[in-house]
Amino acid sequence: DGGITQSPKYLFRKEGQNVTLSCEQNLNHDAMYWYRQDPGQGLRLIYYSQIVNDFQKGDIAEGYSVSREKKESFPLTVTSAQKNPTAFYLCASSINGRSNNEQFFGPGTRLTVL
Amino acid sequence: GENVEQHPSTLSVQEGDSAVIKCTYSDSASNYFPWYKQELGKGPQLIIDIRSNVGEKKDQRIAVTLNKTAKHFSLHITETQPEDSAVYFCAASMDGGTSYGKLTFGQGTILTVHP
Repeated sequence: DGGITQSPKYLFRKEGQNVTLSCEQNLNHDAMYWYRQDPGQGLRLIYYSQIVNDFQKGDIAEGYSVSREKKESFPLTVTSAQKNPTAFYLCASSINGRSNNEQFFGPGTRLTVL
Repeated sequence: GENVEQHPSTLSVQEGDSAVIKCTYSDSASNYFPWYKQELGKGPQLIIDIRSNVGEKKDQRIAVTLNKTAKHFSLHITETQPEDSAVYFCAASMDGGTSYGKLTFGQGTILTVHP
């Protein structure tokens, strides 16, 4: 059963701690994306990767970091430098990043900073 | 960069009525406009998309229209059903350059269909 998985579904973090959100896809897609969703603001792009070992900053990359060591995995680290990390985080993938193909989204991770 | 404005933020209709959601974009170079539906607690799912070489596209009860001159596009849902209740997002993207696959999303519309 192909798709995108994100774990965990809910995540709680204390202030000052780094936390890593998992995103895995078995669709054999080249491109992967991380979005942040806040109420009333739609989805904002954090980072994206068009190919393994390469990634670019999106519109709100400050306080976040990513890696793309494997085609199927694109983990996002929320660092202590992110001033307002409480949000719903969505991972997506598409066949490739060179044309506007459909982006498939995972179920999301809701991060709460205590 | 691209900016996408979406209206209304909430929309309430009776079952069987039509619903229309409108978006405007700022970058005339944008040429791909998808619409996503997000159900509670889930990730968004593509429901229809349109490219700039087409003015209208229809898929059963859903249609999208594009006016490149005015830089706006709209989602039309006819014969609404309670299962259409969700959050709908429009987005815009430019195919080419350094922005491959980068979508700019509108703020979202919460659609409620009352039985």
